[in-house]
Amino acid sequence: GEDVEQSLFLSVREGDSSVINCTYTDSSSTYLYWYKQEPGAGLQLLTYIFSNMDMKQDQRLTVLLNKKDKHLSLRIADTQTGDSAIYFCAESMTGYSTLTFGKGTMLLVSP
Amino acid sequence: DARVTQTPRDKVTEMGQEVTMRCQPILGHNTVFWYRQTMKQGLELLAYFRNRAPLDDSGMPKDRFSAEMPDATLATLKIQPSEPRDSAVYFCASGLVLSGSPGTQYFGPGTRLTVL
Repeated sequence: GEDVEQSLFLSVREGDSSVINCTYTDSSSTYLYWYKQEPGAGLQLLTYIFSNMDMKQDQRLTVLLNKKDKHLSLRIADTQTGDSAIYFCAESMTGYSTLTFGKGTMLLVSP
Repeated sequence: DARVTQTPRDKVTEMGQEVTMRCQPILGHNTVFWYRQTMKQGLELLAYFRNRAPLDDSGMPKDRFSAEMPDATLATLKIQPSEPRDSAVYFCASGLVLSGSPGTQYFGPGTRLTVL
């Protein structure tokens, strides 16, 4: 079945870059997403990438997709304390499919 | 700024009581999802609707959980009777699902349920 895996925890210093990694098993995944969850809040879509792309950049965020290795990463440049949150990777086969979420990576940014 | 709203935000109840959670999806969205989040299991999909019709509720314990969408502006999730193991944060999400477009979901703030 489908599976999405992420490391559970990442700690960085303010100003450094953060890289959050994700692997997925379903080779027919069409869309891959990154969501952010702040304490006490719902998940907020950060960005998504279509499977025929290998990179997408949006301000401080860079998404890299290695389809051969089924590996997705989210790089946050110049990480700020406000970036501290849980980051979820998710995948779907089509726009009509449901999303399969990883268990989330907790990012802690220290001053 | 359109948002998914959920009520109540927090609910504490005793085992055996009925719990009803409500969700107002973003106007114009055709798909509504219910999720449950726990530390142990992470985010689990309970059920979802498209154009108000239930498409899949296989993630829900059928004997005690029910999900409905009485109209396009309201989705409900009911637990009767509630049990301590139902304690979790319940999220509603909505999205406009169209052919050829990503199935982006927009989440509400969640209902934190504690069953004593």
